[in-house]
This record gives sequence, C-alpha cells and structure tokens, in this order.
Amino acid sequence: KQEVTQIPAALSVPEGENLVLNCSFTDSAIYNLQWFRQDPGKGLTSLLLIQSSQREQTSGRLNASLDKSSGRSTLYIAASQPGDSATYLCAVRPRGGKLIFGQGTELSVKP
Amino acid sequence: GAGVSQSPSNKVTEKGKDVELRCDPISGHTALYWYRQSLGQGLEFLIYFQGNSAPDKSGLPSDRFSAERTGGSVSTLTIQRTQQEDSAVYLCASSLDNTGELFFGEGSRLTVL
Repeated sequence: KQEVTQIPAALSVPEGENLVLNCSFTDSAIYNLQWFRQDPGKGLTSLLLIQSSQREQTSGRLNASLDKSSGRSTLYIAASQPGDSATYLCAVRPRGGKLIFGQGTELSVKP
Repeated sequence: GAGVSQSPSNKVTEKGKDVELRCDPISGHTALYWYRQSLGQGLEFLIYFQGNSAPDKSGLPSDRFSAERTGGSVSTLTIQRTQQEDSAVYLCASSLDNTGELFFGEGSRLTVL
C-alpha cells in the first residue's frame, strides 16, 4: 500500500531564506508526483508536476526534484517571502487513477 | 469553464438531513475526483471517475455516500442522513485524463449540527 510522508510537519523561517520541503513515498511504482500549496480556507493550487521519467521541474523560485528509486521528492523554495506562507502538499499517482497525498508541511515565513 | 467550480461553498445542515454537493470540472477534462478534508487532517480520497469507465468508489466511507457524474461532466456527491462526523470540506478536482495534472476547486464546507 502506497504511503506518503512529509517532513517536517511545520516549519518557520525568516524572510529571504532558502528552504527545502521533503516528501517520501513507499512504493516507487508511480506515474507522476505533484506539489500543491493550500492557503487557509482555500482549495489546493497546483505548483509543479513531475513525471516519473523526469528528475526535476522548475517554476520561478520553486524547484522540485524526484528520485523515484529512493522514493523521495524535495521542493526547494528560493529567497522565501511572507506570501509563501501556506501548507505545502505532495501527492503521488500510481499507474493512473487517484492521487495519494501526504499530510502536508505548514510553512510560515516571518517578515 | 476556466477552473473547477463547486457549489455550495458553505452548507449548514441538521443531523439526519440529506445534502448534495456539486462539482463542475474544467471543460474537456475526462477525470474527476472527490476528496474530503476534515479539520487539521490530510486529504481523504472518496471517489474517482474516468471517462465512461466504472468509477473507483473505494474511498467512500459508508453507503450513505454516493456520487454520480452525468454526461461525463458535472458531478454530484450526495450524503444521506448526515452525521456530525461528516462535517468537513469536500474538494473536487479534475484532470485532462487519468495521468494528468490535477486542478482543484475551492471546496464545499459542510457543517452538520
């Protein structure tokens, strides 16, 4: 059974720091992995989608990597800003079908 | 439409009543998903529709929950005889196919008194 774990559960950093959020999964047989952010009381916003054949994807200050063989993904946020404060979720997709989510990392960036 | 649309955004109901939640996916998306998020909890998968295939209902918590998708587009999630533990945010998402990027709606917040 696929399980997704995100560490840490919560993180507080001063503005301007670079930071890394971690996601691990137990079954490497995935089709892709997706990172989302969720603001309080809102739905999920897609940040990056990495296909199983890819090693990384970049969007602006965000960079996501994928090491399928070791069951790990990281989300790197450069030069963090208070507006980055949100909960970040990773989700893996087995061969087609539903996504399986981690519990999320709650990020707070202090001005 | 431009994004996934859900209604109502908020619903307060009394225990024992039935509720219907609606999801209008992105036009052309063949896959549609329902998830539930309870206060302080992660996302719990409920049901998944892909084209004309039989839906994956493996996440529905009880037979009080059902969902349908008419004409391959709009979906309705129905909860019968609501209980207080059904209180949660119900999130709908769609993707172009069964491997594509998921896009979520803003959710329907259900409160059962």
